[in-house]
Amino acid sequence: QAVVTQEPSLTVSPGGTVTLTCGSSTGAVTSGHYPYWFQQKPGQAPTTLIYDTTYKHSWTPARFSGSLLGGKAALTLSGAQPDDEAEYYCLLSYSGARPVFGGGTKLTVL
Amino acid sequence: EVQLVESGGNLVQPGGSLRLSCAASGFTFSSHWMTWVRQAPGKGLEWVANIRPDGGERNYVDSLKGRFTISRDNARNSLYLQLNSLRAEDTAVYYCAGGGQLRYWGQGTLVTVSS
Repeated sequence: QAVVTQEPSLTVSPGGTVTLTCGSSTGAVTSGHYPYWFQQKPGQAPTTLIYDTTYKHSWTPARFSGSLLGGKAALTLSGAQPDDEAEYYCLLSYSGARPVFGGGTKLTVL
Repeated sequence: EVQLVESGGNLVQPGGSLRLSCAASGFTFSSHWMTWVRQAPGKGLEWVANIRPDGGERNYVDSLKGRFTISRDNARNSLYLQLNSLRAEDTAVYYCAGGGQLRYWGQGTLVTVSS
């Protein structure tokens, strides 16, 4: 099974910009991995922010965006707010195999 | 209002079985793939299984080795996960998710495997 890697933790200043990345042990992440991004706050269920690399749900704040960057999937937060402090997970799909979550990035807004 | 409500989680001894349920409302359940995801205490998310809208295709994480079975009843707008031969490492909150692009998530149900 592929291993999906994320930064264990990142810190961003209020109003600042941060990019979280999602890599794959099998090689470059492409749109064919249909990257998803989820936000999870302590004690709560995850919510889906981004699907299929760049697409947002109606509830996804405009300050979040998804992309491919340097062979990885990326989630960029522009104009961080205290409420964005959470754990963020990516999910990659693999042809002929099951989807795999990354280990998560704990984002601190400080 | 869309709701996914899981139930069936409990304390069970190693080797035991449980059946988890997920009741869906507020969207066209029968049109969408549905997924189970689990999260061990203090750990990350793990994709467990998914099922096609008509139930004709089911996929599982390799590590389960046939111990879990996903199913659905579109007439009852319900998703199920049968857990057999439970081990301590199956202790987790189990979430159901779906509705297209995993847009909806339930609040989860806790399964604890312990003697």
